[in-house]
Amino acid sequence: LAKTTQPISMDSYEGQEVNITCSHNNIATNDYITWYQQFPSQGPRFIIQGYKTKVTNEVASLFIPADRKSSTLSLPRVSLSDTAVYYCLVEGYSSASKIIFGSGTRLSIRP
Amino acid sequence: DTAVSQTPKYLVTQMGNDKSIKCEQNLGHDTMYWYKQDSKKFLKIMFSYNNKELIINETVPNRFSPKSPDKAHLNLHINSLELGDSAVYFCASSQSLEADTEAFFGQGTRLTVV
Repeated sequence: LAKTTQPISMDSYEGQEVNITCSHNNIATNDYITWYQQFPSQGPRFIIQGYKTKVTNEVASLFIPADRKSSTLSLPRVSLSDTAVYYCLVEGYSSASKIIFGSGTRLSIRP
Repeated sequence: DTAVSQTPKYLVTQMGNDKSIKCEQNLGHDTMYWYKQDSKKFLKIMFSYNNKELIINETVPNRFSPKSPDKAHLNLHINSLELGDSAVYFCASSQSLEADTEAFFGQGTRLTVV
């Protein structure tokens, strides 16, 4: 199983860009990189997914270097409502590795 | 019009009791999951079902038994509840087991065993 390592917590301020990096040294060829967001008392919510290079949607960008051993979730101009736990996952088409969550990064945004 | 709904949202019960948590998804997905999130906030997969068939059973005590009457439902039955079973249980679904599919989670069921 490809395991992920990410910072336990991060702090930032409203209006800043926040980058959360995740390491996944043992990622397999067929694995995708997915990020979820979880607010207190809610289930995780899908943010973005990518395989290589860069992916951007209305919420975030995901940067993946050529070796795919790490990835960076970029949140532009964060607001207080972005305070949440962010999980980096590596997903492969096999029952053993589907949607395995790591410890996540607790992001706190201050005014 | 909730995509993945769980009932009940809160469940307080005594040790030794048997309880069930229900989950329904209206997304037409083939795959459903149960996760447990403990007090330290670690999310651990417990079970996954694909087209009503058990795919993953992650070292979960036999007291936990999932039941999938149809593709839209995956219920979790727990026998002889223990204090350590207290946690938030999340149901989720995805279109398939393909790696590039998005999972949708329910709001969770907070189980407290006293």
